[in-house]
Amino acid sequence: AQKVTQAQTEISVVEKEDVTLDCVYETRDTTYYLFWYKQPPSGELVFLIRRNSFDEQNEISGRYSWNFQKSTSSFNFTITASQVVDSAVYFCALSGRDNYGQNFVFGPGTRLSVLP
Amino acid sequence: EPEVTQTPSHQVTQMGQEVILRCVPISNHLYFYWYRQILGQKVEFLVSFYNNEISEKSEIFDDQFSVERPDGSNFTLKIRSTKLEDSAMYFCASNDAPGLAGHTDTQYFGPGTRLTVL
Repeated sequence: AQKVTQAQTEISVVEKEDVTLDCVYETRDTTYYLFWYKQPPSGELVFLIRRNSFDEQNEISGRYSWNFQKSTSSFNFTITASQVVDSAVYFCALSGRDNYGQNFVFGPGTRLSVLP
Repeated sequence: EPEVTQTPSHQVTQMGQEVILRCVPISNHLYFYWYRQILGQKVEFLVSFYNNEISEKSEIFDDQFSVERPDGSNFTLKIRSTKLEDSAMYFCASNDAPGLAGHTDTQYFGPGTRLTVL
């Protein structure tokens, strides 16, 4: 069965600090996709990144970076120099290769509060 | 940039009433989904839809729920007789052709409809 764990329920940081959100996943699929979504206080889900299980290259996009470690089944997300606008709930999600609905599984989310 | 839209943004209904939540997926997408998020909890899969039929559904998606693509653009979720526990944010999502070379498994989400059952 697919499972996504985000052990950090809530994190508070002061603006300009770096923060890392952890994501650990479980799957038996050999091909899968990992995602991060942001849910700001307004409630919508905003796609941030998708990572193919065959591509372990880390990715950087502005202040965001992602560290995919297949050996530890982790896909961690780092925000550098955090800003108040980064305050949101962040969800890690996992999608298997052959089943595009039932096993699109979300983690429980990490609520990030960035204080001015 | 194309986006998924949902209407209404907020629906208030009485217990036992029928509600229809509407979604317009991205126009060239073929796979459609509904998810539910009870306040403060994680996002849960309800149903996926492809080629005018349900391809997968979760245990949450019981006989009270149905989905339909009534025309070429809309995708609806109907709850036949709402219960208090149906109060949640409902998200629609779509993607183009997951699993095919050159396509992506990324599901793009709409802004959600907040359903409140009184």
